[in-house]
Amino acid sequence: GENVEQHPSTLSVQEGDSAVIKCTYSDSASNYFPWYKQELGKGPQLIIDIRSNVGEKKDQRIAVTLNKTAKHFSLHITETQPEDSAVYFCAALRRGAGSYQLTFGKGTKLSVIP
Amino acid sequence: EAGVTQFPSHSVIEKGQTVTLRCDPISGHDNLYWYRRVMGKEIKFLLHFVKESKQDESGMPNNRFLAERTGGTYSTLKVQPAELEDSGVYFCASSGGLAGGQETQYFGPGTRLLVL
Repeated sequence: GENVEQHPSTLSVQEGDSAVIKCTYSDSASNYFPWYKQELGKGPQLIIDIRSNVGEKKDQRIAVTLNKTAKHFSLHITETQPEDSAVYFCAALRRGAGSYQLTFGKGTKLSVIP
Repeated sequence: EAGVTQFPSHSVIEKGQTVTLRCDPISGHDNLYWYRRVMGKEIKFLLHFVKESKQDESGMPNNRFLAERTGGTYSTLKVQPAELEDSGVYFCASSGGLAGGQETQYFGPGTRLLVL
């Protein structure tokens, strides 16, 4: 089955700096990669996703890059703000296989220091 | 549009008791999923419904867990009898609306289960 590794497990940055979280996956057939942000006491909130037919996607201060050859994808947050502090999860899924089960990384706790 | 809702938000029970969790998906979403996060570990898939049918239940840990989705609307997840290792946060997600593809999953707030 699929295995997703996520690094780092914790990340502290100064407000205004950039943050990068990296994930690798094992199943070369995986073709959908979402990122979720989870704040304390809440459920995971989808913030951005990418499909395997593109290499990069941006939404304001958030971007995701995908390298299919190396089987890794990354989340980039620019101009970080204190409200970006949360736990971030990457995930992978293989569309078209009938089931849409997501395989998650273990999460990265991001702290943005004002 | 209302998001995925789950009830209860917290549950504390004793080992051997029964607990039933409920999930209401986003209206119109045919796909409903259950996931679980045990303390310190990653979020893990339990099962996937398409309407009222179980599409994939490969993640269900054992036969103490029973999921249903009668009528293809809300779903329940029953744990009977509960064991200590069942403690964790149980998330429900749904997908299948016009925005995003079938695989784009929106999560509920979770039910925090503690088995003593």
